[in-house]
Amino acid sequence: DAGVTQSPTHLIKTRGQQVTLRCSPKSGHDTVSWYQQALGQGPQFIFQYYEEEERQRGNFPDRFSGHQFPNYSSELNVNALLLGDSALYLCASSPGQVPNYGYTFGSGTRLTVV
Amino acid sequence: EDQVTQSPEALRLQEGESSSLNCSYTVSGLRGLFWYRQDPGKGPEFLFTLYSAGEEKEKERLKATLTKKESFLHITAPKPEDSATYLCAVPNTGGFKTIFGAGTRLFVKA
Repeated sequence: DAGVTQSPTHLIKTRGQQVTLRCSPKSGHDTVSWYQQALGQGPQFIFQYYEEEERQRGNFPDRFSGHQFPNYSSELNVNALLLGDSALYLCASSPGQVPNYGYTFGSGTRLTVV
Repeated sequence: EDQVTQSPEALRLQEGESSSLNCSYTVSGLRGLFWYRQDPGKGPEFLFTLYSAGEEKEKERLKATLTKKESFLHITAPKPEDSATYLCAVPNTGGFKTIFGAGTRLFVKA
């Protein structure tokens, strides 16, 4: 049974560009959350999607947007990239709204902005 | 403000040297406390969920305990393969986001 799949694994972009990251949740999971993890830090919540709607948003600017598709897969879009956006972007899925049994995380997309 | 603080930031142990990691939290109406393990370049891997004070969970050399203000992850006779970053997290008050601590980086030397 495949877990959470993220693509691409690594990405290098230039300041000001836009990027789209993709996530396929674990089979049977309908909730997708996105996290940003800077080096040496814990994951920071960006937003969560459930039933194709953004359920909650963390303290991230509007440059960060997302989408969830009917098959529960999700995209994270970041516009006008800044050097500070360089981080590991993690997708986490869970069955239902509250991760009572813990999230299943993907291996992440390493984004480098130069 | 909901908050999770982990200590120490890093811990270096010899193989077989038992120790504990601490996670203190501030949240109203705890709806679970989660422990994850994260290896370099990978996503976090779920270990345990604890719901109420006094609860304990065990997995191999790891045991997690919970009080009303903090949780401990006890590592008994660790091995080099236990080297990783251990993350603690709680759901925020009344919401859908999970708040993570900065983690404890554990190094176990053979």
